[in-house]
Amino acid sequence: QKEVEQDPGPLSVPEGAIVSLNCTYSNSAFQYFMWYRQYSRKGPELLMYTYSSGNKEDGRFTAQVDKSSKYISLFIRDSQPSDSATYLCAMRISGFQKLVFGTGTRLLVSP
Amino acid sequence: DTAVSQTPKYLVTQMGNDKSIKCEQNLGHDTMYWYKQDSKKFLKIMFSYNNKELIINETVPNRFSPKSPDKAHLNLHINSLELGDSAVYFCASSPTGGTNEKLFFGSGTQLSVL
Repeated sequence: QKEVEQDPGPLSVPEGAIVSLNCTYSNSAFQYFMWYRQYSRKGPELLMYTYSSGNKEDGRFTAQVDKSSKYISLFIRDSQPSDSATYLCAMRISGFQKLVFGTGTRLLVSP
Repeated sequence: DTAVSQTPKYLVTQMGNDKSIKCEQNLGHDTMYWYKQDSKKFLKIMFSYNNKELIINETVPNRFSPKSPDKAHLNLHINSLELGDSAVYFCASSPTGGTNEKLFFGSGTQLSVL
């Protein structure tokens, strides 16, 4: 079993839909949580970063962390075709530099 | 100007060959990384260097040897290539301070071993 699990998708939604992307993890020592977006044939780029539990909002994106359930989410409001990409969750333990990634969820937003 | 650039973008080679991938960052970061992404998009760290010093060395075959001539460069040399080495290899860098949540990735090198 991988430390971080993520549904590979693809997740297909129409433009304007609210998208929910999720990751579960097994190591309760993870404290820093990130979401990366990766377009086809490109490197991942950081979208959101949260520390410990709680919510963080940035424009159309909201990241949620529920440490009690070992579950993190990324919500995308008013999804656009340009949001079509693979979304990777990542997390790390405080004091350690190694990031552990999920396998990514492929999102397709149709016009 | 590309922040993290790696060359070549594509690499097709035969089993048993030796190849190198080069990476350069112009962000002034002290820490650089090599990640491997398999066909299922799973991204796994291989190595990390901080100011030319190796700080992370995951369980990677010793056919893989990173080299950091200076803090702006991290190259990856692979000896005796195997079919299972086919993947996309990403170089990344992060700011000084050790909180590497913000990794800046290159565009990747697609390695195909025939």
